[in-house]
Amino acid sequence: GAVVSQHPSRVICKSGTSVKIECRSLDFQATTMFWYRQFPKQSLMLMATSNEGSKATYEQGVEKDKFLINHASLTLSTLTVTSAHPEDSSFYICSAPGQVGDEQFFGPGTRLTVL
Amino acid sequence: SQKIEQNSEALNIQEGKTATLTCNYTNYSPAYLQWYRQDPGRGPVFLLLIRENEKEKRKERLKVTFDTTLKQSLFHVTASQPADSATYLCALGSTGRRALTFGSGTRLQVQP
Repeated sequence: GAVVSQHPSRVICKSGTSVKIECRSLDFQATTMFWYRQFPKQSLMLMATSNEGSKATYEQGVEKDKFLINHASLTLSTLTVTSAHPEDSSFYICSAPGQVGDEQFFGPGTRLTVL
Repeated sequence: SQKIEQNSEALNIQEGKTATLTCNYTNYSPAYLQWYRQDPGRGPVFLLLIRENEKEKRKERLKVTFDTTLKQSLFHVTASQPADSATYLCALGSTGRRALTFGSGTRLQVQP
């Protein structure tokens, strides 16, 4: 089956620093990937759509200069949280749609803690 | 605005019983609805997809119904097992937009 990985699984950083999270599709190509954020006991909220070879599409209220997305290849998308603040602490999850059908395959998530 | 509601209270049932989880939505006309399982600290795992023109879908011990008039989906876990304990998320999708809109999930706890 389709597998999506994320790295790192956990990261703790100081306020003001930048953190990069990688999302990889391991056994399939993904021209599109999605980045979600999930706060405790809340729903997954779509942040942006990552498109290989073009700019990411951000959801309303998500700052594109703060959350930089780069879809470097057909199997890799990265999310960089710039100048992180404690309120950015959350669970970040990426997904990629399957090549057949409408289901999505999610990565295991990255727990970001900003001190 | 679009709204998806799942019962935020945990559902506790005895092993062997059938668990039924509800997903209601408003201000949305989805082309399909999906159910995912999420374990603590993990990403969601796809379970079932049902399209707007389908009434019911089954997969092993799982059954999903979709009523576009009531704007509701029911998710059933039959012969439940403690290993079924997890949070179950419903998600809606539209034709031409592959990103999903998620409900907040319902936690299912199956007691041995």
